[in-house]
Amino acid sequence: GAVVSQHPSWVICKSGTSVKIECRSLDFQATTMFWYRQFPKQSLMLMATSNEGSKATYEQGVEKDKFLINHASLTLSTLTVTSAHPEDSSFYICSARAYGGRVSYNEQFFGPGTRLTVL
Amino acid sequence: GENVEQHPSTLSVQEGDSAVIKCTYSDSASNYFPWYKQELGKRPQLIIDIRSNVGEKKDQRIAVTLNKTAKHFSLHITETQPEDSAVYFCAASLGGNEKLTFGTGTRLTIIP
Repeated sequence: GAVVSQHPSWVICKSGTSVKIECRSLDFQATTMFWYRQFPKQSLMLMATSNEGSKATYEQGVEKDKFLINHASLTLSTLTVTSAHPEDSSFYICSARAYGGRVSYNEQFFGPGTRLTVL
Repeated sequence: GENVEQHPSTLSVQEGDSAVIKCTYSDSASNYFPWYKQELGKRPQLIIDIRSNVGEKKDQRIAVTLNKTAKHFSLHITETQPEDSAVYFCAASLGGNEKLTFGTGTRLTIIP
């Protein structure tokens, strides 16, 4: 149980195009999902916190108009990188916090990540 | 906001020996401290966590200790094995729906 999926697992796009990444909680409801970015050999940097049915909360320095987040249901959050540029190339990982149930109250479950390469 | 520091950044240990990774946090209100193991290109995997009302927790070869007064917590891996080689991240959170703040990571290499 407590599985989080991401799609796509990798994507290559041209500079200036937009890319959408999906994060799904497969067997639990996630009231809160988190989006992280991880550059090679670096830590996970939180980009934004996504709450179902409300606007995302972005971390300082993250452009909300460039990284659009939608959390339309308790099992799906999407991150759209708009007008992508080579410097946006990174490993994007989502996580979901389970709402109640048998899992640890605080535990976050991570998706497998999406490797974005912008040419 | 919360700041988490992690040391060392790299650690090489002979197989069978113990490994210790240390983290400090800045926000005394933080009450949840997980440790994650991440293999190259994969998702972080929770290996152990501890809450602020507990000083130590153990799960087979892995243990975590927490010193709330000093605001630091440590990961201990005993009888290390080659499959323990990975990057380990500590994190701190206020709990509930609050975000995790990650440490900078430790690349652990187990030497056969």
